[in-house]
Amino acid sequence: QSVLTQPPSVSGAPGQRVTISCTGSSSNIGAGYDVQWYQQLPGTAPKLLIYVNNNRPSGVPDRFSGSKSATSASLAITGLQAEDEADYYCQSYDSSLSGYVFGTGTKVTVL
Amino acid sequence: EVQLVQSEAEVKKPGESLRISCKTSGYRFSSYWISWVRQMPGKGLEWMGRIDPSDSDTNYSPSFQGHVTISADKSFSTAYLQWSSLKASDTAMYYCARQYTGYDDYWGQGTLVTVSS
Repeated sequence: QSVLTQPPSVSGAPGQRVTISCTGSSSNIGAGYDVQWYQQLPGTAPKLLIYVNNNRPSGVPDRFSGSKSATSASLAITGLQAEDEADYYCQSYDSSLSGYVFGTGTKVTVL
Repeated sequence: EVQLVQSEAEVKKPGESLRISCKTSGYRFSSYWISWVRQMPGKGLEWMGRIDPSDSDTNYSPSFQGHVTISADKSFSTAYLQWSSLKASDTAMYYCARQYTGYDDYWGQGTLVTVSS
């Protein structure tokens, strides 16, 4: 059972904006630990999408953005495209577990 | 170019032992932790643990502590994930990843482990 909670699914039409929430607690996000986001396309390995809350690795389109506040974080995708259809996971460190944890995952569907 | 290449898929019987590998190249192996992540069929990602190849220091998730062993061989720039006695519930895809200051920036392609009698 993950300590980071995400909505199971979100959907949007091409060109729309969608957001994915990642709700944690005082032992992870609320303790000030950074949040990462990963994208997993069907049948492939996860790929780093956002690191240290709001930074994009080279090659990741600026349609993807991250934010963090209190005990939660969010990933926003603007100008949704068909190729964005994937599973998205947040990740942070948890002091009570003395290790890293992933969120429950969110499936993004492009209508 | 940074690469993490994992060993091929395995089919094992319950009770058997197994070691899968993650061979790295394109960077200094000892300078970055290696994480292991499990993904059971149709499920989400689970962080299993990590190793610092420079001194083999390891951290395990409480969920996996005692069930798997993570190791590394600097001579071969390779990390390993090992089971001494597999269970059917170990059937999953396993990924290794290079960890840079708390985030996994490069990932292996995954190794599918199937445990069935």
